[in-house]
Formats: sequence, structure tokens, C-alpha cells
Amino acid sequence: DAMVIQNPRYQVTQFGKPVTLSCSQTLNHNVMYWYQQKSSQAPKLLFHYYDKDFNNEADTPDNFQSRRPNTSFCFLDIRSPGLGDAAMYLCATTPPGRGSEKLFFGSGTQLSVL
Amino acid sequence: AQKVTQAQTEISVVEKEDVTLDCVYETRDTTYYLFWYKQPPSGELVFLIRRNSFDEQNEISGRYSWNFQKSTSSFNFTITASQVVDSAVYFCALSEARRGYQKVTFGIGTKLQVIP
Repeated sequence: DAMVIQNPRYQVTQFGKPVTLSCSQTLNHNVMYWYQQKSSQAPKLLFHYYDKDFNNEADTPDNFQSRRPNTSFCFLDIRSPGLGDAAMYLCATTPPGRGSEKLFFGSGTQLSVL
Repeated sequence: AQKVTQAQTEISVVEKEDVTLDCVYETRDTTYYLFWYKQPPSGELVFLIRRNSFDEQNEISGRYSWNFQKSTSSFNFTITASQVVDSAVYFCALSEARRGYQKVTFGIGTKLQVIP
């Protein structure tokens, strides 16, 4: 009954080699988010999609891009991963709201950069 | 700017003990929302509770209870009679009142270890 699904669970890439993480949802939520969570740190919002509208956080590096081809799927592309990009990447969704909506999270993708 | 402080980074308790996780927040908004999420070792953050800034009623759900005090800007979480399954990282979070997407500020999390 998973509602937000992230694949793969673990991803290993090489320094500088592009990598794509995927997220899908069965909730039909308008908003999808990508968070980066480094070890022992709070999740940090990278960007979100409101339907097809892409919204970048001001401090998200250009190295991170995203695509949302339809309501159900959202991808995180890291163009040239560095060692500092090793982290857990969490996808989340919400319906549109007024700030009160709870986030529905996937299980995350743990990215390692060698 | 909004800020959430969870001063306890790690707590260890023996099973059946009660434990309180502290959360202090800062915001200039009069309308805002507070949350607690649980992150077990599997990685998925799971929603536990939501409170809006106008509702200071404490809440109890089974072994879980929450104490919201605007006067001290705190939203503390107590687990009564802790169990091993409660071992996880717990995040307190603050959300602005806005239309559209959730602008959430998370605390750094408190790692709770319940020892059998």
C-alpha cells in the first residue's frame, strides 16, 4: 500500500557521473518535494513542484535539477555529483493547502558518491 | 526567519520509562503549524501530529502525548512506557501558513534509543 515510492533504495555513483533518482506517488497530490538529508541533520528542501510549476529553493545548487513528466512521477537529477552530495534524498507529497498539510514521505534513496 | 530547536540530539532510556522530547520554535507569524514526525531506521518520515497556533490543547494518543505552550514557544512530545519499537529519530517541524506548498522548517531531530 505504499503511497510514495522511491527507487532505488540505495544508489552508488562515481564522482562526476550523472545520476537520477525517481519518485512516484499514488495519492494524486498536486505538490511533490525533494529533500536532502545528510547524516544527523534535518531534511533540507531542495525544490518542489506545484503541478507542473517548478520552484527552486534559493540555496539549491545548480547541480541539482528535477523533472515532473506527469502527476505521478518526479525525478531528481544530479548532473555532476560531488562527495558532498552523498546523502539521503527524500521525496514527499502534499495536496495544496494553507500550510497545515502533512507531508507524505517515501522511504528515501541513500546516495553514495565514490 | 523560522527556526526549530531540538536541544537533545540523542536520548537513551530503558524500556517502560517515560521520555520527553523537547522542541522550541521561533516564528514571527501569528498563524503557523507545528508537527512531529518519526523516522525509524527504514528511513521514511511518518507523520505523528499536527497543531495549529490557535489550538493550545494538549493531546494524548495512546502512549503519546503532546504539550503545546505558546508562552514558551514549545511543543514537547512525551512517550509513556517506552517500547523498543519507539527507537527512531523524531523531528519537530514548523510550517508557515500559506497557500499552495508546505514551507516546512525541521529541527535537527532527536535520536531516541529504547533499551530492552
